[in-house]
Amino acid sequence: DIQMTQSPSTLSASVGDRVTITCRASQSISSWLAWYQQKPGKAPKFLIYKASSLESGVPSRFSGSGSGTEFTLTISSLQPDDFATYYCQQYKSYSLTFGQGTKVEIK
Amino acid sequence: EVQLVESGGGLVQPGGSLRLSCAASGFTFSNYAMSWVRQAPGKGLEWVSGISGSGDSPYYADSVKGRFTISRDNSRNTLYLQLNSLRAEDTAVYYCAKIPVGGDCFDYWGQGTLVTVSS
Repeated sequence: DIQMTQSPSTLSASVGDRVTITCRASQSISSWLAWYQQKPGKAPKFLIYKASSLESGVPSRFSGSGSGTEFTLTISSLQPDDFATYYCQQYKSYSLTFGQGTKVEIK
Repeated sequence: EVQLVESGGGLVQPGGSLRLSCAASGFTFSNYAMSWVRQAPGKGLEWVSGISGSGDSPYYADSVKGRFTISRDNSRNTLYLQLNSLRAEDTAVYYCAKIPVGGDCFDYWGQGTLVTVSS
């Protein structure tokens, strides 16, 4: 199975900060990467697919980049609604696998 | 509007069985692959199983292979997951999720149903 590793595990930031989360794959996954946001007690929300394509309705402050084994999710100006846990997911091959998550908390 | 509504969770003893259901609406169900993803309490997301739109191609995580069975009834717009030989480590919220055309990611999720395996 392809292992996905996110860093950092926890990130403390303030409203207005630029935030970057990294996701690394144990082998090349081309651009077959998605990002999700999850708030406590809620289902995950789909943000980005094919590493950099923004899902319809997702604010433009979210962006994704990367290919191969290294990927980033960037929030250009953190908003109060963005405090949540973020997960990457590879869909290059089965078994589909997620990163362990990055919690973005208030500084 | 796409809606996915899971049901069937509950408390079950180790070794027991449950069947989860996911009622879908707001899209042409038979045109889309579907999956189950679970989340143990306080933990991350784990893909469990997936199935093609026609229902003839199921996939399973190694952790559930041989114990869980995914199926779908396209006439009822419903996805199922049969859970057998349950273990304590299967305790989790189980989400059903829709897979978009073009890749095995998850564009819509249900609210989840909690399965607790305990004596």
